[in-house]
Amino acid sequence: NAGVTQTPKFQVLKTGQSMTLQCAQDMNHNSMYWYRQDPGMGLRLIYYSASEGTTDKGEVPNGYNVSRLNKREFSLRLESAAPSQTSVYFCASKATRGRIANYGYTFGSGTRLTVV
Amino acid sequence: GDSVTQMEGPVTLSEEAFLTINCTYTATGYPSLFWYVQYPGEGLQLLLKATKADDKGSNKGFEATYRKETTSFHLEKGSVQVSDSAVYFCALSEVMNYGGATNKLIFGTGTLLAVQP
Repeated sequence: NAGVTQTPKFQVLKTGQSMTLQCAQDMNHNSMYWYRQDPGMGLRLIYYSASEGTTDKGEVPNGYNVSRLNKREFSLRLESAAPSQTSVYFCASKATRGRIANYGYTFGSGTRLTVV
Repeated sequence: GDSVTQMEGPVTLSEEAFLTINCTYTATGYPSLFWYVQYPGEGLQLLLKATKADDKGSNKGFEATYRKETTSFHLEKGSVQVSDSAVYFCALSEVMNYGGATNKLIFGTGTLLAVQP
């Protein structure tokens, strides 16, 4: 019953450093998503992958890249971190076919990233 | 584009009080509507949903009715508990022009609920 697993849970980066946030789901979901959560702004979509092999930009893609490595894994990369990327990052997945498509998104527990 | 507007928090209530958190939306087509809850230090969990006009979603004593005429999906609970303290997010599922769902969720800014004993 792991659901959506995100690593790491916490990270501090210096400006200009790079890192990859990892996300894996074990529910055989087709679609996966990366959101960032900032105070007063709710959750904003960074990138998403509607199915294995496809990725698309969301609302705030600048400064990020993604890789849908296989059906289970969807990683988010910051090539050159900036203080404006200080946020809490959530990965989510969703089934898009069959009855389980009605159950909505499943979210990971988040990665709290601070860029100094 | 599509958007969701929630009442600003924090909302502070005493235990057993009645709760209403307002949510209105702007969308083309007929989106599905959701309420998610985020407990401290955790990710978001689906609380309830409604997929068409006049549908009522309900779960754990919470309910919300999809009102197309007022483009609203207000969250209500008759008697809140301390354990209901959390951030509540209203969201809609974007619908593309040809009627297919993109499956992208658009969120409101969230409303912090604090319930005091």
